[in-house]
Amino acid sequence: QKEVEQDPGPLSVPEGAIVSLNCTYSNSAFQYFMWYRQYSRKGPELLMYTYSSGNKEDGRFTAQVDKSSKYISLFIRDSQPSDSATYLCAMNSNTGNQFYFGTGTSLTVIP
Amino acid sequence: NAGVTQTPKFQVLKTGQSMTLQCAQDMNHNSMYWYRQDPGMGLRLIYYSASEGTTDKGEVPNGYNVSRLNKREFSLRLESAAPSQTSVYFCASSGGPGGMGKFFGPGTRLTVL
Repeated sequence: QKEVEQDPGPLSVPEGAIVSLNCTYSNSAFQYFMWYRQYSRKGPELLMYTYSSGNKEDGRFTAQVDKSSKYISLFIRDSQPSDSATYLCAMNSNTGNQFYFGTGTSLTVIP
Repeated sequence: NAGVTQTPKFQVLKTGQSMTLQCAQDMNHNSMYWYRQDPGMGLRLIYYSASEGTTDKGEVPNGYNVSRLNKREFSLRLESAAPSQTSVYFCASSGGPGGMGKFFGPGTRLTVL
């Protein structure tokens, strides 16, 4: 079983839709949870960063962490064509080199 | 402020050849990382350096060596390249808690024939 599972998609939505991206994980030691956006042939860029459980909002983006279910989500409101990219979840513990990424979900927002 | 820079952008090697991938950051970050990204596998940590003078193995260190030359620079060396090392390599740096390399470079696309 992989440490982090993420549905690769692809996901295609119309402009203005609400997008929900999700990851599950198996290691209860994970404390830090992140979402990255990666455009084609570019490096990942950090979108959201949360510590432990709860919600965090930044503009059109909301990150949710449910540690009891080992489940994290990223919501994108009023999606735009410029949101078309691959979204990677990532997480690690605070005690060592346990850094793990999901495989990424490819999103296309259709104008 | 260039962020994280990597050289070269592209490289083709023959099996058994060696090369060094260079990475530099100008954000005064303590931590630096090397990842590889393969289709269907996501990003996997090769090595990281929590601070100048220290390096540690990540998830997939075999076949690689690293050097933290100073606070700015972190290089990745392939001593004897193998086709299994064909990948896109990303360097990253972080100055905050939790690690994970918050700022990524543009990547190096390596093909080993």
